[in-house]
Formats: sequence, C-alpha cells, structure tokens
Amino acid sequence: DAKTTQPPSMDCAEGRAANLPCNHSTISGNEYVYWYRQIHSQGPQYIIHGLKNNETNEMASLIITEDRKSSTLILPHATLRDTAVYYCIVRGGATNKLIFGTGTLLAVQP
Amino acid sequence: DGGITQSPKYLFRKEGQNVTLSCEQNLNHDAMYWYRQDPGQGLRLIYYSQIVNDFQKGDIAEGYSVSREKKESFPLTVTSAQKNPTAFYLCASSWGHDANYGYTFGSGTRLTVV
Repeated sequence: DAKTTQPPSMDCAEGRAANLPCNHSTISGNEYVYWYRQIHSQGPQYIIHGLKNNETNEMASLIITEDRKSSTLILPHATLRDTAVYYCIVRGGATNKLIFGTGTLLAVQP
Repeated sequence: DGGITQSPKYLFRKEGQNVTLSCEQNLNHDAMYWYRQDPGQGLRLIYYSQIVNDFQKGDIAEGYSVSREKKESFPLTVTSAQKNPTAFYLCASSWGHDANYGYTFGSGTRLTVV
C-alpha cells in the first residue's frame, strides 16, 4: 500500500480557507486518495475522495496533482467546528484497505 | 436513518476477562472492519470481513477474535490474551472491497481495563 506524508499540525484563521497538503509519491494507477477527519473521541468522518480528477462536494475540494504524487484538501471557509485531525489515505492496490497514518491536527483559531 | 451502531460507548473490564464489543449496521454493506486507536495515534486494523462467514486478520489481530454470522453484525471479542487492551475501538463498514467506496464509521467504544 502506498504511504502518505502529512504535516503533524496546522493553524488556520476562522473564515479563511484551510489548505491541507498530502504527499503520496508511491501511489499507483488504481489507488484512490481519501480524506477523513476525526474530532476528538468520535469515529472518523468521510470528507472526499478522488482518483485523478479534482473533486468538490459540500464539505471540501480535493486537488490532485497531474502526476498524482500529492494532493491538497481545501476547506473553503474554516469554522471552529472544523478543528480535527485530518487523515489522507491511499486506498486500493493489493490489500484495498484503509490504512491510517497519524494525520494533520488542524486548529482553527477565532 | 441508515448507520452503524457500536455499543456500549464505554466499557470497563477486569484483567483476565474476555469482553465482546458490538457492531451493527443497517446500510446493507458487505464489508465490515474493526480498528483500534491508542492516544495520539492513527487507527490500526484488527480484523475485517468481506462477506458473511468469512473474515481476515488485520495488522494487530493477536488477542482478538471475531465472527460474521449475519451481514449486519460483526462483534469483536477482546480476550485475556490481549496484553494491552485499553484503547478506543472503532467499527466500520463499506460496499464490498471496491476502492471507489468509502467507509462509514461507528462512534466507537472506549475500553478500559481496571
């Protein structure tokens, strides 16, 4: 399974866009990029996923580089309730399981 | 509403006792998963099941057992052989093993050994 690298923590001002980076340089052609977030002591919440194209839904946008070696999750207008650990995960390949890393702790500041 | 339910939310166990954590889903998902989370760490896969009456070990299966007798249910037993069972346990489900479908997670069970 391809590994992902994320910064351990980031800050963002309330109302501003939060841009969370993720490197996945060993991703293969049939592997998807998934983003989940986890608020303290709760189950992870699905945000968005994509294969090659950029994706957008009501929660966020996912920008995947053309070579697919990195991606960025964008929360367009961060609120205090977006404070959470954000996990970037590559899924597919031989095992096809969600393998979690340690994620990025996003702290939205008032 | 469709969803995945874990119970109980908090569980206390004496050392040496087995304990079973419940996970039920009404999403008609084929696959179900159990993860363990320790403080400040990501989730680690314990067991998963892609179909009824079949399951596979994950990365940290030692000291745990599961069953999948019904599509809706995937209980996890933490046995006395698990050396450090205090953790946050999360159950998830998904449509089959297709990578284009995400997982739905339950709200978790926090197990404490006293």
